[in-house]
Amino acid sequence: GAVVSQHPSWVICKSGTSVKIECRSLDFQATTMFWYRQFPKQSLMLMATSNEGSKATYEQGVEKDKFLINHASLTLSTLTVTSAHPEDSSFYICSAIAGDVEGGYTFGSGTRLTVV
Amino acid sequence: AQTVTQSQPEMSVQEAETVTLSCTYDTSESDYYLFWYKQPPSRQMILVIRQEAYKQQNATENRFSVNFQKAAKSFSLKISDSQLGDTAMYFCAPRELTGTASKLTFGTGTRLQVTL
Repeated sequence: GAVVSQHPSWVICKSGTSVKIECRSLDFQATTMFWYRQFPKQSLMLMATSNEGSKATYEQGVEKDKFLINHASLTLSTLTVTSAHPEDSSFYICSAIAGDVEGGYTFGSGTRLTVV
Repeated sequence: AQTVTQSQPEMSVQEAETVTLSCTYDTSESDYYLFWYKQPPSRQMILVIRQEAYKQQNATENRFSVNFQKAAKSFSLKISDSQLGDTAMYFCAPRELTGTASKLTFGTGTRLQVTL
């Protein structure tokens, strides 16, 4: 089946620095990718939808300048947390679909970000 | 945005028994998809089962089945012959069709513990 690889699985960074998370579709072309954030014992909250070759669509309340999303190819989307602060510490998960395949959502394994 | 309600934050079931997880949602669309995902301690999101709203027949996948009541906007998950490996967070997720993107909205989740 379709596989989405997400790296790194965990990262610790200092407050004020930036960190990049990669999401790759390994055996299919992902025209659309989604980025979620999950706090401990809570649900997944959609942050943004990225389409290959166009600007990402951010959900209400998500800071575009803080969470930069780039989807430059059909197999790679990146999320960069800029000027990270401790409140950005969370679990970030990406998901990809190819076109509009029914039920074709594949999730990455997630990235645990800790900002110290 | 859709509203998804999972009224059971936590549930426990003994091995080999049957358990039902509830989910209600709100949508103005007539055609859509519904999904149940599980998130075990590894935090990898795994598709359990999906239902197409235009199909009256309830979906079944081995030990997992749904009770889809479209008029009531209810989508419950039944797990038969529960196994220890079923221990996980379970999320109900309607698929919203908006523009060119199809995004999932996750419920608050139900933590299921399968005991000996």
